[in-house]
Amino acid sequence: GAGVSQTPSNKVTEKGKYVELRCDPISGHTALYWYRQSLGQGPEFLIYFQGTGAADDSGLPNDRFFAVRPEGSVSTLKIQRTERGDSAVYLCASSLLGLARHSTDTQYFGPGTRLTVL
Amino acid sequence: QKEVEQDPGPLSVPEGAIVSLNCTYSNSAFQYFMWYRQYSRKGPELLMYTYSSGNKEDGRFTAQVDKSSKYISLFIRDSQPSDSATYLCAMANNYGQNFVFGPGTRLSVLP
Repeated sequence: GAGVSQTPSNKVTEKGKYVELRCDPISGHTALYWYRQSLGQGPEFLIYFQGTGAADDSGLPNDRFFAVRPEGSVSTLKIQRTERGDSAVYLCASSLLGLARHSTDTQYFGPGTRLTVL
Repeated sequence: QKEVEQDPGPLSVPEGAIVSLNCTYSNSAFQYFMWYRQYSRKGPELLMYTYSSGNKEDGRFTAQVDKSSKYISLFIRDSQPSDSATYLCAMANNYGQNFVFGPGTRLSVLP
């Protein structure tokens, strides 16, 4: 079946602009996660949704970052007033139950969106 | 000190070699330990997970956790060129709290 998909695959923007990154999770997965991965680093947790609500947003670096999942399926990560330091690969993952309910629930990752802020 | 540390590599081995990949960590609250494989320009995929201390084997892969030393390992037997990827360890408290990845080790298996 289809895995996690993310669009766009690449996004180039100018400093100060607003961007939206989209994630389509695996159908039926209740949990959705956003991570940011810089070159040579492991993914850094940003936010975790259980259904429509953010169960843990402790990883969002500042108030320029915001994510929504209004119908409990597709999620959008929104970044306002982008900065050059926001350049990274933004990864989305989904899991069936969510780590808050099942500690070893497997996360399935999408291919990521490569964001470049000029 | 970072919460999870890994030697970044690159690590190059000949085909058929036994590979040892390691992570150290500082948070004694971690209970769940995972290994992910990430191919270039792809998302990570889960290889194995282990709860608390002990060993777990799955085919050519063996994961070991030593909580007393805060040290985890992944062994790959009979390594193949298709194993060439970045290997990331990850850890979490109960219920997935404080889910943290290591920086990854890049592995190249040469034919």
